[in-house]
Amino acid sequence: KAGVTQTPRYLIKTRGQQVTLSCSPISGHRSVSWYQQTPGQGLQFLFEYFSETQRNKGNFPGRFSGRQFSNSRSEMNVSTLELGDSALYLCASSFSSASGYTDTQYFGPGTRLTVL
Amino acid sequence: GNSVTQMEGPVTLSEEAFLTINCTYTATGYPSLFWYVQYPGEGLQLLLKATKADDKGSNKGFEATYRKETTSFHLEKGSVQVSDSAVYFCALSDSWAAGNKLTFGGGTRVLVKP
Repeated sequence: KAGVTQTPRYLIKTRGQQVTLSCSPISGHRSVSWYQQTPGQGLQFLFEYFSETQRNKGNFPGRFSGRQFSNSRSEMNVSTLELGDSALYLCASSFSSASGYTDTQYFGPGTRLTVL
Repeated sequence: GNSVTQMEGPVTLSEEAFLTINCTYTATGYPSLFWYVQYPGEGLQLLLKATKADDKGSNKGFEATYRKETTSFHLEKGSVQVSDSAVYFCALSDSWAAGNKLTFGGGTRVLVKP
């Protein structure tokens, strides 16, 4: 089974721009979560999508948004980029049910975003 | 809320030495516990997991036991190799909470010297 894929792997943007990152989950996984990893803050949860709906959200400003498509692929968008948004953005997919059970999360290789 | 505390690194060892990375947690309910490993320039790989008290997760020579009484999930390996050099993250999640998320510790960098 193919793993979680993320594109692009590397991005360089300037302050004020916006960026869209993409994540394709493992086949059959309907839950996709996004995390931000920085040296200072570590790994922080951004949001989770299940069946095209945002099911959980972390403590990030509204500039961070996401969506999920009917094939479970997900995108996250960051608008009005700031220097502090430079980070590794990780996507994880898992099997999950509508009733609430969520299995182990499997991570992609990440997208390294640099904001200049 | 949930939290995970793990020992700070870096931990520097010689090949074939014994490795222990301490991890303690605070959680409501009955979380599942995980160890993930991150090699340079890569994402997180699941190393092992345990879903209930007294469960032992094991993989690639690594082991960790879910200790509810001490709220701990320490990672151990009896004989490390240079290829074990990486950053190790302890994490927890509530598998039965809709909108599940992982809560991570700060990570422990391990460097194994030949």
